[in-house]
Amino acid sequence: SQTIHQWPATLVQPVGSPLSLECTVEGTSNPNLYWYRQAAGRGLQLLFYSVGIGQISSEVPQNLSASRPQDRQFILSSKKLLLSDSGFYLCAWSSLAGVYEQYFGPGTRLTVT
Amino acid sequence: QKEVEQNSGPLSVPEGAIASLNCTYSDRGSQSFFWYRQYSGKSPELIMSIYSNGDKEDGRFTAQLNKASQYVSLLIRDSQPSDSATYLCAVETNFGNEKLTFGTGTRLTIIP
Repeated sequence: SQTIHQWPATLVQPVGSPLSLECTVEGTSNPNLYWYRQAAGRGLQLLFYSVGIGQISSEVPQNLSASRPQDRQFILSSKKLLLSDSGFYLCAWSSLAGVYEQYFGPGTRLTVT
Repeated sequence: QKEVEQNSGPLSVPEGAIASLNCTYSDRGSQSFFWYRQYSGKSPELIMSIYSNGDKEDGRFTAQLNKASQYVSLLIRDSQPSDSATYLCAVETNFGNEKLTFGTGTRLTIIP
């Protein structure tokens, strides 16, 4: 069965510090991968998605970036965090076969102070 | 106009009653529709998917889709306190791009 991991689970970072969040998927090959952010009391905002290694599409211009160095690894980064970057960061995967069902990882709760 | 709209709630339903959650979408070309459950502080969990007009039942959950009216709903029968959560409606709105657009969710509280 497929499993998706995210770490760390929680993170408190000062404004201006760098960020690196990691997501890995087990039990599937060539998944589509997604990064979402959920701000307090708000809906899910798609940040990035990837259909393959090195292929990243950005949905919202911001100070975040994403990379996919391996088939089942997706990384979200920032060089300098802003207060507005606080939120619940969720990684999700779906299969490539035209099925749109997405499955979420446990998430990382980021607080920027 | 928002692409996917849900009543934010909160929706309060007595234990054992039927909870009805509604969602409308704007893209007439959408073909795939999903309901996710999100407990407080947790990540969303996929509970239902529906692709064709009509009803789809899975245990106590029934998803209903009406593409002509651009409307999808989720019914929860015999509501339990453990059903208290936020329910997110998601719609495929960019056919071929494999992306979902989520509503902001409806918070459901089951009253014992």
